[in-house]
Amino acid sequence: AQSVTQLDSQVPVFEEAPVELRCNYSSSVSVYLFWYVQYPNQGLQLLLKYLSGSTLVESINGFEAEFNKSQTSFHLRKPSVHISDTAEYFCAVSRIRSGYALNFGKGTSLLVTP
Amino acid sequence: DTGVSQNPRHKITKRGQNVTFRCDPISEHNRLYWYRQTLGQGPEFLTYFQNEAQLEKSRLLSDRFSAERPKGSFSTLEIQRTEQGDSAMYLCASSLGTGDPPQHFGDGTRLSIL
Repeated sequence: AQSVTQLDSQVPVFEEAPVELRCNYSSSVSVYLFWYVQYPNQGLQLLLKYLSGSTLVESINGFEAEFNKSQTSFHLRKPSVHISDTAEYFCAVSRIRSGYALNFGKGTSLLVTP
Repeated sequence: DTGVSQNPRHKITKRGQNVTFRCDPISEHNRLYWYRQTLGQGPEFLTYFQNEAQLEKSRLLSDRFSAERPKGSFSTLEIQRTEQGDSAMYLCASSLGTGDPPQHFGDGTRLSIL
């Protein structure tokens, strides 16, 4: 089975500061990795994904994540956050060649203040 | 592309009653997923369909839960003899098919058991 640990339940940060949301996973098989974002009272939106290839993946709104196989991590970073980035962020893992039945972490609440 | 639609948005019912939720995926999306999200937790996988075939079910899907996707389009999730512990947000997601993780989530149905 696969599991995901998000090391921080809440991350407060000032606007325009950098941020890192940490995610570690455990699995006995190769996996795909994902970050999802959830705004209040809404469903989840896929932020970025690692399936294969370059270990550094980027989203269209400035987030990036790096797959580190030796450390079994997939941390999410952004060099300069905006107020609008305030949301819940979920790291998720799925088996390769499965139906993408995702296992999610418990989430990290990012709160950006002026 | 009208997005994934879930109805109702909110459902309040008494313990012991049956409830049914509906999910309309994005048109032409072959895969449809159901997840459950409780307060302060990440979503938990329940089941998924490839067209009308239910291909995987989580152990969370007890015999009181049943999901269908009769014509490979919309899906229903029924909970019989509801219990307090069933109170949660039920999320539906869809994807085009092979090689495509569930990236289109609906806004969910929030179930409250009195």
